[in-house]
Amino acid sequence: AQTVTQSQPEMSVQEAETVTLSCTYDTSESNYYLFWYKQPPSRQMILVIRQEAYKQQNATENRFSVNFQKAAKSFSLKISDSQLGDTAMYFCAFMKPYGNNDMRFGAGTRLTVKP
Amino acid sequence: NAGVTQTPKFQVLKTGQSMTLQCAQDMNHNSMYWYRQDPGMGLRLIYYSASEGTTDKGEVPNGYNVSRLNKREFSLRLESAAPSQTSVYFCASSDTRQGVPLEAFFGQGTRLTVV
Repeated sequence: AQTVTQSQPEMSVQEAETVTLSCTYDTSESNYYLFWYKQPPSRQMILVIRQEAYKQQNATENRFSVNFQKAAKSFSLKISDSQLGDTAMYFCAFMKPYGNNDMRFGAGTRLTVKP
Repeated sequence: NAGVTQTPKFQVLKTGQSMTLQCAQDMNHNSMYWYRQDPGMGLRLIYYSASEGTTDKGEVPNGYNVSRLNKREFSLRLESAAPSQTSVYFCASSDTRQGVPLEAFFGQGTRLTVV
């Protein structure tokens, strides 16, 4: 079974600065999908960004970008120009394609953006 | 625009009591999931259903049963609740397009306390 590890339980960043959240995973699959989800205090889960393992180019969504290192099985999330609304739990998730839709999450990183 | 609806939102049970958590989605998704969220442990997969009529165990299935009643509904049953099952439970649904997993949508969560 796939495992997802987030080694930073908590992080903080000053407003307008950049922060990087780490995620590593373990799999023997060659193709798969990786996700970052955000969970603000409302508890609602919100998709931040998605990356397909076959794509070399790192995914970007506005202020959010990833550094995907397939050989190292690493998938970090960079948040630029941090805003107070970015304060949340961030979860890294792994999913295989085609049929088996078992989606696994890491333990999460609690990010606090300070004014 | 309901998305994924979970009921109830809060529940207190006594040890040994049983209950069923209900989940329904209106997005015609094939896959549905049940997770539990505990501090420091992220979201752990209890059971999932890749399609109507199928269910599979996740990481922590012991003490739980599920039913995929139809394409819309996926219920989670605790037959004999234990204090270790105190947690926040999330239902989610997702789908694929040509094998590519799409965004998962989550319910608002059920906070369950077993005393």
